[in-house]
Amino acid sequence: AQSVSQHNHHVILSEAASLELGCNYSYGGTVNLFWYVQYPGQHLQLLLKYFSGDPLVKGIKGFEAEFIKSKFSFNLRKPSVQWSDTAEYFCAVGGNTNAGKSTFGDGTTLTVKP
Amino acid sequence: GAVVSQHPSWVICKSGTSVKIECRSLDFQATTMFWYRQFPKQSLMLMATSNEGSKATYEQGVEKDKFLINHASLTLSTLTVTSAHPEDSSFYICSAMPIAGGWSDTQYFGPGTRLTVL
Repeated sequence: AQSVSQHNHHVILSEAASLELGCNYSYGGTVNLFWYVQYPGQHLQLLLKYFSGDPLVKGIKGFEAEFIKSKFSFNLRKPSVQWSDTAEYFCAVGGNTNAGKSTFGDGTTLTVKP
Repeated sequence: GAVVSQHPSWVICKSGTSVKIECRSLDFQATTMFWYRQFPKQSLMLMATSNEGSKATYEQGVEKDKFLINHASLTLSTLTVTSAHPEDSSFYICSAMPIAGGWSDTQYFGPGTRLTVL
């Protein structure tokens, strides 16, 4: 069975600070990895995804994530956060044998102080 | 592009009644849709995979007779919560996977439906 662990439940940063949110997964096969964001009052949106190729993935709004296979990690980063990045962030893992099913982490709440 | 809608956005019902929630992919076709449940301050829990033209696949612990799923067309899946009870109160979210991408494609999420059972 696959599982996802997000270590940070709540992160508080000031504007312009750098961000790194941890995500570790457990899965026995080839993985697909996702980061989703849920802004207050809005639905989940895809930030970025990794299926294969370059392990450093760039997404929307200046976010990137690095897939490190040896560490089973897919951490999300942004060099300089903005107040508008305040949201809930979910890491998810899917496998190519799961017909698209994904397992989500518990989420990390990011609060950016202006 | 890739917009998914849900209706209603919120519903309040009496205990014992049934509630139907619709999930529509507005600008793409989806053979596969997923239904999730999200509790406050918690993650999404996959309830079932809805497959167009066939029976839904339920996750372990999810009562298929209580949460009826119908995927009648390539753009519509419905979740009916039968004989709802207060413990069924939750935020129900659907997602749809475009038809062309196969297993590796991305899920597009609906805005969710808040169900409150009195």
